[in-house]
Amino acid sequence: DIQMTQSPSSLSASVGDRVTITCRASQSISSYLNWYQQKPGKAPKLLIYAASSFQSGVPSRFSGSGSGTDFTLTISSLQPEDFATYYCQQSYTTAWTFGQGTKVEI
Amino acid sequence: QVQLVQSGAEVKKPGASVKVSCKASGYTFTSYYMHWVRQAPGQGLEWMGIINPSGGSTNYAQKLQGRVTMTRDTSTSTVYMELSSLRSEDTAVYFCARRSAAAGAPFDYWGQGTLVTVSS
Repeated sequence: DIQMTQSPSSLSASVGDRVTITCRASQSISSYLNWYQQKPGKAPKLLIYAASSFQSGVPSRFSGSGSGTDFTLTISSLQPEDFATYYCQQSYTTAWTFGQGTKVEI
Repeated sequence: QVQLVQSGAEVKKPGASVKVSCKASGYTFTSYYMHWVRQAPGQGLEWMGIINPSGGSTNYAQKLQGRVTMTRDTSTSTVYMELSSLRSEDTAVYFCARRSAAAGAPFDYWGQGTLVTVSS
C-alpha cells in the first residue's frame, strides 16, 4: 500500500495566520491527492481533490498544490471555523490510504 | 440534496458480528460506488472497502479480508457493512462515503458515522 505522511502532526496558529500542511506519498501518485477537514464528532468533509481542485462551497482561502510525491494544503488566512484536523488521501490505487492527520489548534 | 444516513450505535461482545447500514438519497443510487471508512478513538482514518451498488462487486482492504462483507439493497438504496469476529481493536466510528465522479474519485459525501463498541 502507498504510505501517506503528513507534517506537522499538529500546529498552533492564530486567526489570520497563513498555514501550510505538507503531505508526502511513498511513491508517485501523479495528482491523485485529496484533502479533507474533520471537526470533532463529525464526518470528514472534502476540501480539495485532484491536488488543486476546489470542492463546491469550499472557501477560496483553502488551496492545494503539488504532484508526484509532494503536496501542500494552504490556508491563506486562518478563520475560527478552520480549527480542525486535516487529512490527505491518495486515490491513485484502489487501496485508498490516508495520512495520519494534522491537527490545527489555537 | 445528497444524504447518507447510517444506522445507530452498537455494542457487541468479542467474537460477535455487527452489521451497519447506510441509506442513500438525493441521487441515483446505482451510479456511484460507496466506500466504508473507520476511525478508532483518537486515531486517523482507515479505508475498509468499496462496493459497486449497481452490480454488487466489492474490493476489501487486505487487512480485513475474510472478516468484512459489503452488500447492497437497490430497492431501498441502502448499503451494508458487516464485520465478523469482532475484537476490541474494531471499536471505532464507521463511516460510509460516496465515491465522486470527479477527477481522482474523491469521497464527496459522508454518512454521519456509526459508533461500534466491542467490549466484554
